[in-house]
Amino acid sequence: RKEVEQDPGPFNVPEGATVAFNCTYSNSASQSFFWYRQDCRKEPKLLMSVYSSGNEDGRFTAQLNRASQYISLLIRDSKLSDSATYLCVVNKGNAGKSTFGDGTTLTVKP
Amino acid sequence: GAVVSQHPSRVICKSGTSVKIECRSLDFQATTMFWYRQFPKQSLMLMATSNEGSKATYEQGVEKDKFLINHASLTLSTLTVTSAHPEDSSFYICSATGLAGGPGETQYFGPGTRLLVL
Repeated sequence: RKEVEQDPGPFNVPEGATVAFNCTYSNSASQSFFWYRQDCRKEPKLLMSVYSSGNEDGRFTAQLNRASQYISLLIRDSKLSDSATYLCVVNKGNAGKSTFGDGTTLTVKP
Repeated sequence: GAVVSQHPSRVICKSGTSVKIECRSLDFQATTMFWYRQFPKQSLMLMATSNEGSKATYEQGVEKDKFLINHASLTLSTLTVTSAHPEDSSFYICSATGLAGGPGETQYFGPGTRLLVL
């Protein structure tokens, strides 16, 4: 079993749709959680950190359920520019290495 | 925000040559740098973790004698692919942490280096 597992996708949605991505992690000692987006042939860029209380940044909402070892990302009112691969990232803390999920590809269509 | 640069952005070389890739943190001191490799349509695979002034820690299956990592200062780490072969062609990305104390510092990624070995 992979340490970080994501919905395989791909997700193809129309503009304006709401889409949710899920991610589970196996190491209960994990301390920090992030969502990154990666555009084709580019480096990953931090989208948002994920906090236990849940956090929102504009159209994006991230949630963490430590008991279930589950992370989610909700995108509301999808834009064409949201098309990318979304990576779930889990870190064990103390500047240790991060483990990346395989990513979920989102395509938003007009 | 934090900026990490990589150089070169793209390199084409002949089989058997060595290629050096630089990763620099431009506006912060990076206590830890990570080197990843990504093949087309695949996820990032961590190759090694590099701490300033100490030897890098390599992931299982990564040959340390082939992928030489040097982290000589808090702002520079280098990856040298020695005797490169076509199967080493990939997208190499570095990341750096160290902005603030405490666990789980955000990783900031360099723009990546595309290596093509002919």
